[in-house]
Amino acid sequence: EVQLVQSGAEVKKPGESLKISCQSSGYVFTNYWIGWVRQMPGRGLEWMGIIHPGDSDTRYSPSFEGQVTISVDKSISTAYIQWNSLQASDTAMYYCARPLHGLFDLWGRGTMVTVSS
Amino acid sequence: DIVMTQSPDSLAVSLGERATINCKSSQSVLYNSNNKNYLAWYQQRAGQSPRLLIYWASTRESGVPDRFSGSGSGTDFTLTISSLQAEDVAVYYCQQYFGSPYNFGQGTKLEIK
Repeated sequence: EVQLVQSGAEVKKPGESLKISCQSSGYVFTNYWIGWVRQMPGRGLEWMGIIHPGDSDTRYSPSFEGQVTISVDKSISTAYIQWNSLQASDTAMYYCARPLHGLFDLWGRGTMVTVSS
Repeated sequence: DIVMTQSPDSLAVSLGERATINCKSSQSVLYNSNNKNYLAWYQQRAGQSPRLLIYWASTRESGVPDRFSGSGSGTDFTLTISSLQAEDVAVYYCQQYFGSPYNFGQGTKLEIK
């Protein structure tokens, strides 16, 4: 089955670091870009960035550049997004998704990140 | 960046009636060399991940009921649900994939009247 399996919900304190994951299966990981989308509570979808697992070419939205780091581990078909110092405003659901020509045809179930003191 | 603006923000339609959602881009998303509009529509039901409905502005994704249709070109696009069903209650988003960042519209919440 073609799917993206995301890591579980996280509860963190402001200033802490975090890395969440998205593991693909059912297709050749290095043939497709993979991306991340933020959805803050009660809000819309925000395109964060994408990475190509083949060469790690990465594109960020200007809104997120410098705030997060997107990476991959080809050996385990897994993409990551990480924060060095979380803020309360990072509280959101984070979806990984597979872009095809830029549109997202396959989505993970999301990882809820809660940042609270 | 290309800004996507949807209208209305929310919409209430009776079961069996037509629902129409509009999406406007701040610049054309029509690529002249292949005459394709780089515009997609997604459905997000409560508590679920988004689901791709329409791409290239008017091509239905496999498995999407034919009551969903997309139209438009250049900067103005429409998602139409011809006969609203209870399971269509959701938030609908348009997205341009013409130029990075591939931004989404703010969403339109569709409810039953």
